[in-house]
Amino acid sequence: RKEVEQDPGPFNVPEGATVAFNCTYSNSASQSFFWYRQDCRKEPKLLMSVYSSGNEDGRFTAQLNRASQYISLLIRDSKLSDSATYLCVVAYGGSQGNLIFGKGTKLSVKP
Amino acid sequence: DARVTQTPRHKVTEMGQEVTMRCQPILGHNTVFWYRQTMMQGLELLAYFRNRAPLDDSGMPKDRFSAEMPDATLATLKIQPSEPRDSAVYFCASGLETTWGAGANVLTFGAGSRLTVL
Repeated sequence: RKEVEQDPGPFNVPEGATVAFNCTYSNSASQSFFWYRQDCRKEPKLLMSVYSSGNEDGRFTAQLNRASQYISLLIRDSKLSDSATYLCVVAYGGSQGNLIFGKGTKLSVKP
Repeated sequence: DARVTQTPRHKVTEMGQEVTMRCQPILGHNTVFWYRQTMMQGLELLAYFRNRAPLDDSGMPKDRFSAEMPDATLATLKIQPSEPRDSAVYFCASGLETTWGAGANVLTFGAGSRLTVL
């Protein structure tokens, strides 16, 4: 079983739509969770951390469900510039060497 | 903005040739990572250094790959001899790992080195 699983997509949505991605993880000892964004032919960049209480940053909302071992990312009022691949990242322990990246979910926002 | 610098950005080489990729981590960061990304496998960890000491290179093919940090401002990844299956984008990332909680797991990636082995 893969440690971090994501639906690869692509998710094709019109501008203004709300879209949500889920990511499941297998290690119940996982402690930290993140969403990274990767534009085409670019490097991954941190989008947001995911806290136990959930967190919101503008149009982006991240949630964590420890019982079911998944995290989610919700994008409201999607923009063309949101088109990218969204990588789920799970960490266990305090060592950065224990970061596990999902393969990403591709989002394409159409006019 | 502080950034991770990688060279070369693109490299095309022939099978059997040696390839060396270089990375300058962000000043003050104490961890350096090498990742390989392909469409099929996603991001794979090749090597991980903390305070210049190699901590994990289990993801790296030992017979042809080697990773070093000769000093705090330079990390290298070498492939010798290169093979077509090594074609991928190689990312270097750095971070600041501390003994206490939040922010310890955030990495900053370089722009990547796109390698094509013919």
